[in-house]
Amino acid sequence: QQQVKQSPQSLIVQKGGISIINCAYENTAFDYFPWYQQFPGKGPALLIAIRPDVSEKKEGRFTISFNKSAKQFSLHIMDSQPGDSATYFCAAGGYQKVTFGTGTKLQVIP
Amino acid sequence: EADIYQTPRYLVIGTGKKITLECSQTMGHDKMYWYQQDPGMELHLIHYSYGVNSTEKGDLSSESTVSRIRTEHFPLTLESARPSHTSQYLCASAEGGMYEQYFGPGTRLTVT
Repeated sequence: QQQVKQSPQSLIVQKGGISIINCAYENTAFDYFPWYQQFPGKGPALLIAIRPDVSEKKEGRFTISFNKSAKQFSLHIMDSQPGDSATYFCAAGGYQKVTFGTGTKLQVIP
Repeated sequence: EADIYQTPRYLVIGTGKKITLECSQTMGHDKMYWYQQDPGMELHLIHYSYGVNSTEKGDLSSESTVSRIRTEHFPLTLESARPSHTSQYLCASAEGGMYEQYFGPGTRLTVT
């Protein structure tokens, strides 16, 4: 049973454009929703995270939008750059562990 | 950058061999995790630990075993490797009172 659904599987965006990745979760007990960024040959690294008591969190060009009633959250990358080309994972869970989404491979073309 | 190390980085081994993948962290984190990452990217939790002498099975059934004798060390062992074990294995750790997980660079295992 997949508890975190992520889309799209791949995404191509022009430099300067907005990249949007969506995730949906099922377990209402989840209280932690991070996004990880993974470059080839590296382990994932935390990009930004949100708790369910806020609807939006922004860090630089990266923003998480969170809709608790719909059990959905999304990552927006503003002014996308070629250096943002990587695989992005959403995750949901709690203090003990999280469940990861299936990943989105983002390619930003010049 | 987090101080979490995995060795070896790449391993090609024959069927039936016993292997141990090493994971060490120097941050004193209580929580440690092993994930299996499919070629198609998805990460699956296979084992985790909340501290010394604590180990739990994850969401994905695995034929591997783990041990946690020291805080900084969380090795994963496959008693008899099979081609179905071919995958990337990622180790992660987290501070006891925190949510954020720090990942190692991974071990890419190929069983022939």
